[in-house]
Amino acid sequence: DGGITQSPKYLFRKEGQNVTLSCEQNLNHDAMYWYRQDPGQGLRLIYYSQIVNDFQKGDIAEGYSVSREKKESFPLTVTSAQKNPTAFYLCASSLNPVGNYGYTFGSGTRLTVV
Amino acid sequence: DAKTTQPPSMDCAEGRAANLPCNHSTISGNEYVYWYRQIHSQGPQYIIHGLKNNETNEMASLIITEDRKSSTLILPHATLRDTAVYYCIVRMASGTYKYIFGTGTRLKVLA
Repeated sequence: DGGITQSPKYLFRKEGQNVTLSCEQNLNHDAMYWYRQDPGQGLRLIYYSQIVNDFQKGDIAEGYSVSREKKESFPLTVTSAQKNPTAFYLCASSLNPVGNYGYTFGSGTRLTVV
Repeated sequence: DAKTTQPPSMDCAEGRAANLPCNHSTISGNEYVYWYRQIHSQGPQYIIHGLKNNETNEMASLIITEDRKSSTLILPHATLRDTAVYYCIVRMASGTYKYIFGTGTRLKVLA
């Protein structure tokens, strides 16, 4: 079955360390997105990519970095510059950059920085 | 993108219809209404979307008022597995890249 896979499901890191969250999709979708969700809050867009080798900052990109070297993969690195990295991170993809057919979301990675 | 207003929480008896309202009084003519739901600790799931006409799929029905200032998502026979946070989002179908997720409606289906 086609889908979008995020790994790991839970991640613990020490403060000051960079950490990379994986996101892989086999839906042949062009566009991919990273969102962050804090408890009781809606989702906020970190980065998005409409095509391979291209990505743009979302609303809260500071302290994060991404790459899009392959259509299937859109990893997110949470750097030590991110002041409050503990959160639930969600990756999504859409058939085209407009996303008018809806987004498919992964099951998320819960990052805890201690 | 237009803002939406949803009640923070609702209860529904199992087997009954769940009617989730959404106000979007500033919606413009080329903006669609999308509904997603998020079961606890999972990623949001697309449910349905529409522009003017009512829409139905295997999951739900979407009723949009004639003036398009509000809409209702209907789950015809709610089950315990429908307990989730439901997000109503308004956005254009082209020229934009993101959904603006508010805090949604927390629906609790009661046995």
